[in-house]
Amino acid sequence: QLLLVESGGGLVKPGGSLRLSCEASGFTFGDYYMTWIRQRPGEGLDWLSSVRGSGTPTYYADSVRGRFTISRDNTKNSLYLQMNNLRVEDTAVYYCARVGIRFGYATPGNPFEVWGRGTTVIVSS
Amino acid sequence: SYVLTQPPSVSVAPGKTATIPCGGNDIGSKSVHWYQQKPGQAPVLVIYHDRDRPSGIPERISGSNSGNTATLSITRVEAGDEADYYCQVWDTDSDHVVFGGGTKVTVL
Repeated sequence: QLLLVESGGGLVKPGGSLRLSCEASGFTFGDYYMTWIRQRPGEGLDWLSSVRGSGTPTYYADSVRGRFTISRDNTKNSLYLQMNNLRVEDTAVYYCARVGIRFGYATPGNPFEVWGRGTTVIVSS
Repeated sequence: SYVLTQPPSVSVAPGKTATIPCGGNDIGSKSVHWYQQKPGQAPVLVIYHDRDRPSGIPERISGSNSGNTATLSITRVEAGDEADYYCQVWDTDSDHVVFGGGTKVTVL
């Protein structure tokens, strides 16, 4: 069974840091690009970052480049998002997702075919 | 940066067809993916690479893509199709994922 489980969300003050984790099971984790997406309350989906199965290259949305860092540990089947200098507008549900493979090729443009349930981050003083 | 434009809402009567456009400059040259999100749930992939359906997605849901508009169609709409729908592409110029703003489908 394909499963992604996010953790690490919580309440943090502006300027603080959090590290989100996403534990994967049911597939060969290192074969797949992985991605982080967030959804602010009442708003749409907002892509944050993607990483290749090997750990490089990485891709970032302009809104989080320099503040957020994506990483992975294939020995632990885990994806991470280190979030620094958090702002009130970073309040959101954060999802991790697996990027599909097409015709044997893993590319960042493939669809997000498996999603976790999300973890909630609240940035407030 | 690349922009995808969706109408905020679409209303449709049960049994009719819902059509959700996703506009973008020369979007026909890109691969478009569509997601359905019901309240309180994570998104679910319903169409990938313009027109392919994951297993378990009914044939009533289909996609097309040409010119400056990609379209998600839901025929014989049911109450269970009420959800937000998002289109998504990969922009090769910026190496960014781009989502449309989402369309709320309401079944009358």
